[in-house]
Amino acid sequence: ETGVTQTPRHLVMGMTNKKSLKCEQHLGHNAMYWYKQSAKKPLELMFVYNFKEQTENNSVPSRFSPECPNSSHLFLHLHTLQPEDSALYLCASSQDGGRNTGELFFGEGSRLTVL
Amino acid sequence: EDQVTQSPEALRLQEGESSSLNCSYTVSGLRGLFWYRQDPGKGPEFLFTLYSAGEEKEKERLKATLTKKESFLHITAPKPEDSATYLCAVYTNAGKSTFGDGTTLTVKP
Repeated sequence: ETGVTQTPRHLVMGMTNKKSLKCEQHLGHNAMYWYKQSAKKPLELMFVYNFKEQTENNSVPSRFSPECPNSSHLFLHLHTLQPEDSALYLCASSQDGGRNTGELFFGEGSRLTVL
Repeated sequence: EDQVTQSPEALRLQEGESSSLNCSYTVSGLRGLFWYRQDPGKGPEFLFTLYSAGEEKEKERLKATLTKKESFLHITAPKPEDSATYLCAVYTNAGKSTFGDGTTLTVKP
């Protein structure tokens, strides 16, 4: 596999469920990101990890819990979500630190619907 | 605060009708400006990076240009397969990326 892979592509969950989104990148990058994309809104950065360490949390509610076990894998654990959390969740990766050109490589996204 | 504004919000063209998309930005310390293409239900796909005013990049029917205040994505003789949402993003010296709302392009045959 190449690029950035996200699973599942579609997820429907109730407000009391617990689920996880998974992202895997095969590009040798060391920075990984979670973005939220809602209709009629620009991409919202949620979390950034550099070399497995969280370097940015953009005031995201605690019902979203990221996990980065290594530079190739990123998870987003979801619990007690609200209907307004329904959106497309995008994972991205980029080169690390000083070599970072800013170019982001995105996965195809996980479409989340909260009932 | 870094700001990126894209216009128009939506653009409908006939096949072969050339036009331009605009991305205006206000940032402190631009390191690069990016254009991405996003098809429905998919993640954004990288198109171009521009680093300095006066720079131009081309790919097939697309040409991106950059000034100190804005970038244009020119589409020459578009085809229906060019229909997508085009996103502009700025990357700053602080290592932050800010995206615009996007322009949704529809090209009718």
